[in-house]
Amino acid sequence: ETGVTQSPTHLIKTRGQQVTLRCSSQSGHNTVSWYQQALGQGPQFIFQYYREEENGRGNFPPRFSGLQFPNYSSELNVNALELDDSALYLCASSWTGREQYFGPGTRLTVT
Amino acid sequence: GESVGLHLPTLSVQEGDNSIINCAYSNSASDYFIWYKQESGKGPQFIIDIRSNMDKRQGQRVTVLLNKTVKHLSLQIAATQPGDSAVYFCAENSRRDDKIIFGKGTRLHILP
Repeated sequence: ETGVTQSPTHLIKTRGQQVTLRCSSQSGHNTVSWYQQALGQGPQFIFQYYREEENGRGNFPPRFSGLQFPNYSSELNVNALELDDSALYLCASSWTGREQYFGPGTRLTVT
Repeated sequence: GESVGLHLPTLSVQEGDNSIINCAYSNSASDYFIWYKQESGKGPQFIIDIRSNMDKRQGQRVTVLLNKTVKHLSLQIAATQPGDSAVYFCAENSRRDDKIIFGKGTRLHILP
């Protein structure tokens, strides 16, 4: 059974640029959630995808968007990057949306 | 509003002793609670969960206690080992919206 994987592991972008982060869900899971984790903080819920549709969203602006594909993998897109977007971005997959298993994260640095 | 918080940001425990990490939650609609362990440079690792119809659940060396009356959650780790060093997060979830709300975390430091 393959766990949750994310790519890339690290990324450096300039303010104003756009970024796409990718996540492959654990085998058998149909729900993917994305979280932003600032240094020293707990993960903050961005949004969740279930069967290719957004199924809940946290308090993040529209420049944070996502996709889920038929194989349940997912992308997180962030437009017009700001310095405060620097964080660890975590993807978690689940079957029910509750017992979520996390990937290792993508560390995004915005300069 | 909804919030999950922790009483102690850092906990130092002697190797071999038991550790107790506490957490308070405020959303009375939450019916599912989870403890995660996060080691440096890694994503959160599921440790144990508990549903609101239970007040205690045991796993391997870990026990979670839920007191709905005072909205309190705790994680007990028996015979703490060096490998238990990490940041521990409690998290809550309600069936209403399926998002998981994390607290800020407690760092567990193991003393030799």
